[in-house]
Amino acid sequence: ETGVTQTPRHLVMGMTNKKSLKCEQHLGHNAMYWYKQSAKKPLELMFVYNFKEQTENNSVPSRFSPECPNSSHLFLHLHTLQPEDSALYLCASSQVGTGAGNTIYFGEGSWLTVV
Amino acid sequence: AQSVTQLGSHVSVSEGALVLLRCNYSSSVPPYLFWYVQYPNQGLQLLLKYTTGATLVKGINGFEAEFKKSETSFHLTKPSAHMSDAAEYFCAVRNSGYSTLTFGKGTMLLVSP
Repeated sequence: ETGVTQTPRHLVMGMTNKKSLKCEQHLGHNAMYWYKQSAKKPLELMFVYNFKEQTENNSVPSRFSPECPNSSHLFLHLHTLQPEDSALYLCASSQVGTGAGNTIYFGEGSWLTVV
Repeated sequence: AQSVTQLGSHVSVSEGALVLLRCNYSSSVPPYLFWYVQYPNQGLQLLLKYTTGATLVKGINGFEAEFKKSETSFHLTKPSAHMSDAAEYFCAVRNSGYSTLTFGKGTMLLVSP
C-alpha cells in the first residue's frame, strides 16, 4: 500500500557485521530521507538527499553510511554498530520545490537490533 | 529555528469521547503544519496538513485540526474516539530550508472501552 518500501523489516546484527537497509520510493519524488526513531526520543533526522545529492548530515556517526544511486533508491550501510544504535529506521520521501507542499511520506520502517 | 511542543506524552480517553491532542509551534517562516499517526510496528502516516488558506483542516479517519496563528497552535481533534484510534500522534512544522520537518516528541493516545 505504501509508496515507500523498506527492506528488510527486521534485522538483527552483531557489532562486527556489515549490513544495509534499502529503501525505494514509487512516488516520483526528488528528495529522500533517513530518520531514526528510538524509544522515548523524538524522531531524529539523519540524512537528506535532494536530487541524489546529500544536503544534510545531522552529525551522524560514520558507522552509518548513506548511498543514493538515483532519486528512487536510498541505502543505509551499517558497520561496527553499537547496541545503542538499535532502533526503528524510517525512510521517507517528498517532492521539494515551489508549491510542492513539503509533505513527507514514510515507509514502514526497518527494526534494527544490534547484539 | 523551528520547534514543536506537544503537551502530554500520553492522553487517555474513553471510546466515544472527544479527542484533543495539543500542538504548539514556533517558526521563522510561514508555517506549514502536519499531523502524522503511527500505529504499532508501522511507519508514520499523514493525517492532515495545513499550508495556506482555510485554517480548519480536515484529515482522514474523522480528524481535524485548526491553525491559530495568534496562539501558534495546531491542535488535533476528533469528536468521538474509536478503539482503532489508539496510536502515537506526531505534530510537525516545516523547516526554514523547506525540505525537512521538525517533529514533536509525540503523544500516545489510549482509548478505553
